[in-house]
Amino acid sequence: KNEVEQSPQNLTAQEGEFITINCSYSVGISALHWLQQHPGGGIVSLFMLSSGKKKHGRLIATINIQEKHSSLHITASHPRDSAVYICAVPGETGNQFYFGTGTSLTVIP
Amino acid sequence: NAGVTQTPKFQVLKTGQSMTLQCAQDMNHEYMSWYRQDPGMGLRLIHYSVGAGITDQGEVPNGYNVSRSTTEDFPLRLLSAAPSQTSVYFCASSLDSRIYGYTFGSGTRLTVV
Repeated sequence: KNEVEQSPQNLTAQEGEFITINCSYSVGISALHWLQQHPGGGIVSLFMLSSGKKKHGRLIATINIQEKHSSLHITASHPRDSAVYICAVPGETGNQFYFGTGTSLTVIP
Repeated sequence: NAGVTQTPKFQVLKTGQSMTLQCAQDMNHEYMSWYRQDPGMGLRLIHYSVGAGITDQGEVPNGYNVSRSTTEDFPLRLLSAAPSQTSVYFCASSLDSRIYGYTFGSGTRLTVV
């Protein structure tokens, strides 16, 4: 049983394309997190959101609490956006985090 | 720089050897956790701690020990390394992950041969 499901698993895009990564979860949450992991690199937090929409530069994250679904959008994608994007939700106690398996994005020049 | 420091970055072990992965944070975070990351699987919780002197098991604790003698440090010990423990290990810390999420270390890539 996977508490967090991401799609697609792999995504290849041409530079400039609009990209959408989806995340569905089954647990009740206080906030959902989007993380980014560059090849061979560490994991950094992009967004934490509990409702509506957040925007940082070309990245936009949305969440629908009723439908238990979140999306991460990248506008005007660039090769430096190539990374693994991970959706994560905290468990009830805050000690456990449930992670999606990640979406591997490759942006081709 | 403030953050989570993991050492070493890379390690190769022979089956049966033991070693300790170090993790230190200077943000006075109470929550610290160890995760392993394997291809095709999400990050999986090995052990976690909610404060000095308090640790508990996560999803995949077998073969690993932890201790938390100070707020800053949370080492992960592999007792007798096995090839199944070949993975990338991440340490993470948080004030409260439900509110703030986690700050991750840069990871340790471990290969057991």
